[in-house]
Amino acid sequence: QVQLVQSGAEVKKPGASVKVSCKASGYTFSDYYINWVRQAPGQGLEWMGWINPKSGGTGYAQKFQGRVTMTMDTSISTAYMDLSSLVSDDTAVYFCARGVGTKVFDYWGQGALVTVSS
Amino acid sequence: QSVLTQPPSVSAAPGQKVTISCSGSNSKIGGNFVSWYQQLPGTAPKLLIYDNYKRPSGIPGRFSGSKSGTSATLGITGLQTGDEADYYCGTWDSSLGAVVFGGGTKLTVL
Repeated sequence: QVQLVQSGAEVKKPGASVKVSCKASGYTFSDYYINWVRQAPGQGLEWMGWINPKSGGTGYAQKFQGRVTMTMDTSISTAYMDLSSLVSDDTAVYFCARGVGTKVFDYWGQGALVTVSS
Repeated sequence: QSVLTQPPSVSAAPGQKVTISCSGSNSKIGGNFVSWYQQLPGTAPKLLIYDNYKRPSGIPGRFSGSKSGTSATLGITGLQTGDEADYYCGTWDSSLGAVVFGGGTKLTVL
């Protein structure tokens, strides 16, 4: 069965960076995009961007351009999302989601809580 | 403020039917497919509907989707207490080149 398992919760200070991992299993990793979506406490969903595991190509939401980097290691079927220059408003649960293309997310990871606090 | 507009909350009794609306513009819903996601408390979102009306394997027929112009609708019949969740619509915004979501609708089954 398809599974996306994410790394654990993180606490970071303002100005630091965080790297969240997403390990895929149960399907051919290179056949589907991995998208990243975040959810601030009590708020809605916010799309951050995607990575194409077949080509390594990426696409980022304008809001995160210059601050987010999405990478992957196909040898271990794992995608990564690196967010830098953290501020308190980046406190959120970060989800990875398998994408049918870039627009439909059919399987989701369990989420990783990132807390930014001094 | 979300790009797609959903009602903040809806409610209905067990066994009844409810609809949740999602409105946008031509560059969003008007020209693209809509998906719907269900988020139970404390869990990750789950795909309910894609390409406006299609249901993934395992999603019961009680859930349906439709789209007309720049609006989409999620319908749930035979409401169960287990349907209490937040529901989000999502689509591609051609002008932004980004996936956008509605603000979410909290469903209460009274």
